[in-house]
Amino acid sequence: KAGVTQTPRYLIKTRGQQVTLSCSPISGHRSVSWYQQTPGQGLQFLFEYFSETQRNKGNFPGRFSGRQFSNSRSEMNVSTLELGDSALYLCASIGGPGNTEAFFGQGTRLTVV
Amino acid sequence: AQSVTQLGSHVSVSEGALVLLRCNYSSSVPPYLFWYVQYPNQGLQLLLKYTTGATLVKGINGFEAEFKKSETSFHLTKPSAHMSDAAEYFCAVSSTDSWGKLQFGAGTQVVVTP
Repeated sequence: KAGVTQTPRYLIKTRGQQVTLSCSPISGHRSVSWYQQTPGQGLQFLFEYFSETQRNKGNFPGRFSGRQFSNSRSEMNVSTLELGDSALYLCASIGGPGNTEAFFGQGTRLTVV
Repeated sequence: AQSVTQLGSHVSVSEGALVLLRCNYSSSVPPYLFWYVQYPNQGLQLLLKYTTGATLVKGINGFEAEFKKSETSFHLTKPSAHMSDAAEYFCAVSSTDSWGKLQFGAGTQVVVTP
């Protein structure tokens, strides 16, 4: 069975631009979570979507947003990019309340210059 | 609120020696506990998990962990280290009411020496 697919794998953007990252979860999984990983702050939770609804949100500014589609695919958007947004962005796929193992994609490496 | 503390940001072990990575958590509700491994430029791979039931959990690649509620700990062990175990390891916690949100520890980098 296919794993979690994140696209693109690598991205270089300029300060002030916006970016959209995509995540396709494991087939049948209804929950998608997003995390930011940096050397200084480690792994930080951004938000979680379950059946197209945002269930949880981390402590990030409003420039970070996300959504989930009816096929469970999710996108996250970062507007007005800052240098500090450079990070590995990881997406996790979870089946649901009774199946809580999180399976991660390879991540998208975002570099803001 | 939940939090995770991993003791030791770097651990060096000899090939064939015991690997012990320490994790303590705090949670106001019964926790779900996980250990993940990350290789360079890769995502996170699940090693093992504790949700309910048996407190000694066996995972992939010979790793196991024991949930000790009284000590709020979930330490990861492997009897004999292999060179391929060199990676970064993360302990994480979620809960029944927040199962989609993982709180991670800071990670422990494991170096295996010949």
